[in-house]
Amino acid sequence: DARVTQTPRHKVTEMGQEVTMRCQPILGHNTVFWYRQTMMQGLELLAYFRNRAPLDDSGMPKDRFSAEMPDATLATLKIQPSEPRDSAVYFCASGPSPTGQETQYFGPGTRLLVL
Amino acid sequence: QKEVEQNSGPLSVPEGAIASLNCTYSDRGSQSFFWYRQYSGKSPELIMSIYSNGDKEDGRFTAQLNKASQYVSLLIRDSQPSDSATYLCAVSSPGGYNKLIFGAGTRLAVHP
Repeated sequence: DARVTQTPRHKVTEMGQEVTMRCQPILGHNTVFWYRQTMMQGLELLAYFRNRAPLDDSGMPKDRFSAEMPDATLATLKIQPSEPRDSAVYFCASGPSPTGQETQYFGPGTRLLVL
Repeated sequence: QKEVEQNSGPLSVPEGAIASLNCTYSDRGSQSFFWYRQYSGKSPELIMSIYSNGDKEDGRFTAQLNKASQYVSLLIRDSQPSDSATYLCAVSSPGGYNKLIFGAGTRLAVHP
């Protein structure tokens, strides 16, 4: 049963600490997306990769957020330093690349609380 | 104007009725359209995709697309309490590789 996995599932940290979230996309998928979801803003696209190359990170606060894909089986999203307003659920999604079939499959999410 | 608009709801329907969820989008270049279901505290789950005008049926779900009107809808027949969730409409972005634009979602409540 192929699925996107994310770790950790929950994270509580104090303001100013570094947070690292990890994602393993579905094997064979070459596009990876990072989203943030809050009650107020809904689902926001932060960054995405194709074949491990970053395509767009315009949705991400550049001063504190960074996203990387060191290999085809791992994507990371880091926040340094974290702030209370970063509290949200962070989803990773992956998809195959055929044009016209932009299906994305979501992981279970990382629920982040910054105190 | 938001790129993908949905009524936030809640849409309340009795068990066994047809639930109709609607979505409009602004970019005429969009080619792919998706409906995701999200239960409270869970991640979005893909339930339907549609790429051409008309209807597409899958079990109790029917997706309808009208590109001329920039409108996509989801019908749920014989609604069940287990269908109670938030339904997210997603539309492909013409300029981005596999990029989807999500609506804010419509909350559906099916009451017994």
